[in-house]
Order: sequence, then structure tokens, then C-alpha cells
Amino acid sequence: DAGITQSPRHKVTETGTPVTLRCHQTENHRYMYWYRQDPGHGLRLIHYSYGVKDTDKGEVSDGYSVSRSKTEDFLLTLESATSSQTSVYFCAISETPGLAGGPGTDTQYFGPGTRLTVL
Amino acid sequence: GNSVTQMEGPVTLSEEAFLTINCTYTATGYPSLFWYVQYPGEGLQLLLKATKADDKGSNKGFEATYRKETTSFHLEKGSVQVSDSAVYFCALFTGGFKTIFGAGTRLFVKA
Repeated sequence: DAGITQSPRHKVTETGTPVTLRCHQTENHRYMYWYRQDPGHGLRLIHYSYGVKDTDKGEVSDGYSVSRSKTEDFLLTLESATSSQTSVYFCAISETPGLAGGPGTDTQYFGPGTRLTVL
Repeated sequence: GNSVTQMEGPVTLSEEAFLTINCTYTATGYPSLFWYVQYPGEGLQLLLKATKADDKGSNKGFEATYRKETTSFHLEKGSVQVSDSAVYFCALFTGGFKTIFGAGTRLFVKA
């Protein structure tokens, strides 16, 4: 199994409070991703990183920010949590996303998830 | 745009039954196709993949064939077990940084 941990695994917080989720990998993979999983939506990409201090937005980035100061750590922050951000959050890593326009293989390896409840 | 559509669940089968979970896609270029599985309380893990047309991915008795003419990648298994109970996600990748996941299909297998 790929070495990916997420912390905390469960969190309950109140609307308006800041929350930071941590993803830690021991695989030295360059690419890291944050997804949220909601019933009927599959996984939706929040943000991703293609290197230390290199990040970009995914399809559902509003209300979230990320930081990556080291290869092994990727932090997801909810600056002011809302009830709509109640979800299960997954971190993923990949060694290479493949080449645009090419066959690309981009196998992603997922962490165990963080269940966040915003009251 | 690129998208993945998979059959809605839940799918409930008896042990040793034949499984098919349908997946169709819309994509430009030459996507790679994947099936991921999520067991209760865990993250997703790769089940199988195919990177070009007519390729067959296989793993743990599961198979899926990349059909470009029908834009499909249906997951099959000849004889399911209780331990196969999970949520199955079809996904596609066309390059860059974005893998597109289907909504997931939950499978229940009864003893």
C-alpha cells in the first residue's frame, strides 16, 4: 500500500470556524490532490499540487485553500467552514499525471479519508 | 466536455452470481480508463485500467475492455463473493492533472 496518511480522520466543527486537514505521504510522489466525496457526485477535485509551492484549483475550489511547503505534506484549509462543506475528504498522490494528448496513465493512490461534519 | 456515466446502484447479487456494472464515457483525444474500488471506511484503490482501445484490464477476477466504438468500459466478474461488496468507480484520464470519476455504483453481495 502507498504510504499516505490523513489527519484528523474525523472532525466535527461549527460553522464559521477554520479547519485544516493534513495529508502526508512517504512515497516522494510529485503530484498531490484533494477531493471531496458526496453521495451522487463521485469524487470532485478541490485543488491539486504539481510540486512544492505549486498548486492550482480544481472544479470545486471555492471556500478552500491549500499549501504545500514540503514534498510530503499537502494541507487543505477551510477558512470559514460552512455546512455545505460537510463531506468526506480524500487526499491522493500520483507519480506522473501523464502527458496532455498522450495515453497518460495517472494511477492515483488514495489516503483513508477524513470525515468532516460542519454543524 | 469529458464525462463518465455509470449505472446507478445499489446492485444486489447473490454469491457466485455474474456481475456487470456499466460505464460509458465522453472524451476527446485518447483517454485512459480505470475502475477503482472503495471498501467500507477506506479510500479508493485501483482495481484495473486500460490505456488504449481494445485493451482488457483485469485483476482479482474482474475484467473490463476498452471499447472505443461504443465508448464503454463495463466491469464484469463471473462469480462474485461477499468480500466484493464495495463501491465501484469508473474513471477516465485524458492528460494533465484531472481524472474524472463517475458517481460510483454500490454493490451488495449476499451469502
